[in-house]
Amino acid sequence: GAVVSQHPSWVICKSGTSVKIECRSLDFQATTMFWYRQFPKQSLMLMATSNEGSKATYEQGVEKDKFLINHASLTLSTLTVTSAHPEDSSFYICSARSTVLTGELFFGEGSRLTVL
Amino acid sequence: GNSVTQMEGPVTLSEEAFLTINCTYTATGYPSLFWYVQYPGEGLQLLLKATKADDKGSNKGFEATYRKETTSFHLEKGSVQVSDSAVYFCALNTNAGKSTFGDGTTLTVKP
Repeated sequence: GAVVSQHPSWVICKSGTSVKIECRSLDFQATTMFWYRQFPKQSLMLMATSNEGSKATYEQGVEKDKFLINHASLTLSTLTVTSAHPEDSSFYICSARSTVLTGELFFGEGSRLTVL
Repeated sequence: GNSVTQMEGPVTLSEEAFLTINCTYTATGYPSLFWYVQYPGEGLQLLLKATKADDKGSNKGFEATYRKETTSFHLEKGSVQVSDSAVYFCALNTNAGKSTFGDGTTLTVKP
């Protein structure tokens, strides 16, 4: 099946710094990628929809200036957590939808962010 | 709007027991239905899918049948293994729009 890779898989940073997480589709082109946040033992919370070449669409309650999303190519989307604080600590997961296949999502491995 | 309701967990079974995790949905149009599995510390993986009514998705001994009349997509496995311990998410998607996920069901299989 199609492969989506996230990097880094885990990161620890100091409060006030910014962290960038990359999501790459390795063997297909993805016009649309999704970013989720997952708290322990909870479901996925969709944060935003990332569209190649245009601005991301954020879900209600998600701060656009806090979580910057860039989808500069058909294989790469990035999520930057700006001025991170301990409450931003979470598991962030991306997914991508192939331009060929409809409906099926391919997920990255997830990135564990810990803000000290 | 679309919604997915999953059987609440956690579910604890002994090895070789029969598994059923219920999933029902509400959606406009004709959604595709999915089961994803998440192992500890990892992202989600597609387990199986069905794209139209009466389709049966199957993989690794797991099965689910798309039942339009009952708007259900229950996950079943005849004999679970310890390695099946994970969180299972039911999800739907309509016409390449945003996917809607259930809350997840944690399965623990004991030897």
